[in-house]
Amino acid sequence: AQSVTQLGSHVSVSEGALVLLRCNYSSSVPPYLFWYVQYPNQGLQLLLKYTSAATLVKGINGFEAEFKKSETSFHLTKPSAHMSDAAEYFCAVTDTGNQFYFGTGTSLTVIP
Amino acid sequence: GAVVSQHPSRVICKSGTSVKIECRSLDFQATTMFWYRQFPKQSLMLMATSNEGSKATYEQGVEKDKFLINHASLTLSTLTVTSAHPEDSSFYICSARGTGTYEQYFGPGTRLTVT
Repeated sequence: AQSVTQLGSHVSVSEGALVLLRCNYSSSVPPYLFWYVQYPNQGLQLLLKYTSAATLVKGINGFEAEFKKSETSFHLTKPSAHMSDAAEYFCAVTDTGNQFYFGTGTSLTVIP
Repeated sequence: GAVVSQHPSRVICKSGTSVKIECRSLDFQATTMFWYRQFPKQSLMLMATSNEGSKATYEQGVEKDKFLINHASLTLSTLTVTSAHPEDSSFYICSARGTGTYEQYFGPGTRLTVT
């Protein structure tokens, strides 16, 4: 069985500060991992994905994530937060693509 | 590439009526489509998985007679909420996956409000 845990349902950072959103997964097989962003009343937009290639994955809007197998983690980071980054972020895991397991989401607030 | 659309984006209907939501893959053939439901401030909950030309597979606890899913073509799946009630009000999101890929591409969602 697979699952995703996102630590911190709400994260607040100052504009220009480092963004760190945590995601830990459990999977019995090598997983595919994703980070999505959701703005109010919109669908999910893919930020980045891990597909067993490079462990450091770069995505859109300056975000990146590092796959750490030993820690079963896939934390999302951005060096400098922008006001437009305020949104809901979801981590997801799948092994075959048939079933996506989503975390409970982290709401990011950026303080001017 | 890999764009998924949903229609309508918002719908308001009266209690007891039925409403149909369409999900289309615009630039690829979607052999599998997925329907999710999202309550406010919560994560996505998978409702059902449908393969083109086959009956949908519903997740435990999802009423298949209430949420009718049809995946008649490789680019279109529909979700019909029958005899809608206020508790069916929610944000419904579809996703689609092509052949030989693990990635799901998500639609923009449909906000259903039942009055």
